[in-house]
Amino acid sequence: AQKVTQAQTEISVVEKEDVTLDCVYETRDTTYYLFWYKQPPSGELVFLIRRNSFDEQNEISGRYSWNFQKSTSSFNFTITASQVVDSAVYFCALSVPRGSQGNLIFGKGTKLSVKP
Amino acid sequence: EPEVTQTPSHQVTQMGQEVILRCVPISNHLYFYWYRQILGQKVEFLVSFYNNEISEKSEIFDDQFSVERPDGSNFTLKIRSTKLEDSAMYFCASSSPRQGYGDQPQHFGDGTRLSIL
Repeated sequence: AQKVTQAQTEISVVEKEDVTLDCVYETRDTTYYLFWYKQPPSGELVFLIRRNSFDEQNEISGRYSWNFQKSTSSFNFTITASQVVDSAVYFCALSVPRGSQGNLIFGKGTKLSVKP
Repeated sequence: EPEVTQTPSHQVTQMGQEVILRCVPISNHLYFYWYRQILGQKVEFLVSFYNNEISEKSEIFDDQFSVERPDGSNFTLKIRSTKLEDSAMYFCASSSPRQGYGDQPQHFGDGTRLSIL
């Protein structure tokens, strides 16, 4: 069975602080994909990043960076110099393709509050 | 940038009534999905649809639910005989065909908030 755990329910930081959101996943499949989505207060789900299980390279996009470690089954997300606009719920998700593209299995989300 | 469109944004329905949630996926996408999010909880997969048939469905997606692609642009979720516990945000998503190796990201609509009274 597949599972995604986001142990941090809520995080509160002050603007300009760095913050890391943890994600641990479980799957017995060797081929899988990991995603992060952002859900701002307005409610929509915004795609941030996709990683496949064969690519452990870390990625940086502006203030965002992702650390994928298969050895610990983790896919953590760091926001550098956080801003108030980063306040949202962040979901980590896993998909395991079965013939066609797999459905997303979401973690429970981490609510990030960035205070000015 | 193309986006997934969902209507209505908010639907209020009496318990026991039927409701249809509508979605217009991104035009060149071939895979379609419905998810739901009960208030304050995680997003849960309901069903995926490809080539005019259901690819996969979760335990939540029982006989009360059905999906349809009635034309070349719309993708609908029907809930028959709604129950109080169906109250949730329903998200439609779509993704493009797999290119080379791997799943393409699913792009989500803004959701329909369904309130059952």
